[in-house]
Amino acid sequence: QKEVEQNSGPLSVPEGAIASLNCTYSDRGSQSFFWYRQYSGKSPELIMFIYSNGDKEDGRFTAQLNKASQYVSLLIRDSQPSDSATYLCAVMGNQFYFGTGTSLTVIP
Amino acid sequence: DADVTQTPRNRITKTGKRIMLECSQTKGHDRMYWYRQDPGLGLRLIYYSFDVKDINKGEISDGYSVSRQAQAKFSLSLESAIPNQTALYFCATSDIRRDRANTGELFFGEGSRLTVL
Repeated sequence: QKEVEQNSGPLSVPEGAIASLNCTYSDRGSQSFFWYRQYSGKSPELIMFIYSNGDKEDGRFTAQLNKASQYVSLLIRDSQPSDSATYLCAVMGNQFYFGTGTSLTVIP
Repeated sequence: DADVTQTPRNRITKTGKRIMLECSQTKGHDRMYWYRQDPGLGLRLIYYSFDVKDINKGEISDGYSVSRQAQAKFSLSLESAIPNQTALYFCATSDIRRDRANTGELFFGEGSRLTVL
């Protein structure tokens, strides 16, 4: 069983819609949860982190964490073509573990 | 200038050759990491180091070795490269003590694309 699981996609949404990205993890001792965005051929960049149950909002991005269900999600509101990228879920316990990423395409 | 610098950015080599990928950082972070990224497999940890005297294997360390020459430098070596080591390699840093938000965020270099023929 992988430490972090993500749907690989690809996920396509029209411009202006809400994109929903999901991630599950196996280690109940995990402490911090991250969403990185990676454009093709570029390095990952952090867009959100969360460590408490519930929602955390930053601009058009909302991260949701449910530790009981071992589930973390990312919502992107008012999706823009510039949001087209691969989104990596990462979980930190004693090490960082990354999911395989979900490819998102926002269609103009 | 990038805070985490990797060299070379691109390298093509032949099977059996020794390759070194270098990483240097100006962030003053203690923790440094090497990851490789393959299509469909995400980022996988090769080695990590929490300080100059601390080196740890990650999930895919076979065929690789590392050297932490100084706090700011962490090199990855492939002693005898093979084609399935063709990948995009990332160096990353973090430092809980200097992280005001206490997130443990990883800061990545720009990547080194290695092709082994």
